[in-house]
Amino acid sequence: SAVISQKPSRDICQRGTSLTIQCQVDSQVTMMFWYRQQPGQSLTLIATANQGSEATYESGFVIDKFPISRPNLTFSTLTVSNMSPEDSSIYLCSVVGNGGLYNEQFFGPGTRLTVL
Amino acid sequence: SQQGEEDPQALSIQEGENATMNCSYKTSINNLQWYRQNSGRGLVHLILIRSNEREKHSGRLRVTLDTSKKSSSLLITASRAADTASYFCATVRRNGQNFVFGPGTRLSVLP
Repeated sequence: SAVISQKPSRDICQRGTSLTIQCQVDSQVTMMFWYRQQPGQSLTLIATANQGSEATYESGFVIDKFPISRPNLTFSTLTVSNMSPEDSSIYLCSVVGNGGLYNEQFFGPGTRLTVL
Repeated sequence: SQQGEEDPQALSIQEGENATMNCSYKTSINNLQWYRQNSGRGLVHLILIRSNEREKHSGRLRVTLDTSKKSSSLLITASRAADTASYFCATVRRNGQNFVFGPGTRLSVLP
């Protein structure tokens, strides 16, 4: 298993500003994911962040809006840029252990973002 | 597009009763996983069932998988108020490149 922490746990931001969310894992992992969960909805994958390469974004998500860093095997950041109220969501990072997606994912506690 | 689809969307039962949630999906999968989420917090992995398995148990949880019908069910027996949460199924396709969550079932267990 993996223990994951996220910072901040919640934030209230003004329209047009940016917020960077940090994800820290207690062990080295290859695959790390960022999800968005809009109010009352399920999780939607934003991107896959692998160390040593650029993040791979899902349809509907672009690097300019959600830049991601993955400087090492235990840490990643997601920035929500030029925020609007529609970006109000919970943002979660997750990792998978050895064996990739054929095993379970471990999730961080999430960052609850409110954009005014 | 969404792969897993759960039903019901919301379920309310009395403590001690059993709760059954269903998940359907559209494409061939490597495995299907169930997760629980309490009050908008992070997800907790409950159980993973592989495409060559038909049933798995873990404590009060029982998961079935019918690949011919592309469906799975999660049964929670002898429910407790602490089981109140949202439950999501997630599917992993055979190529292991996609991990897709269903819309979830909100379970309320009343004391």
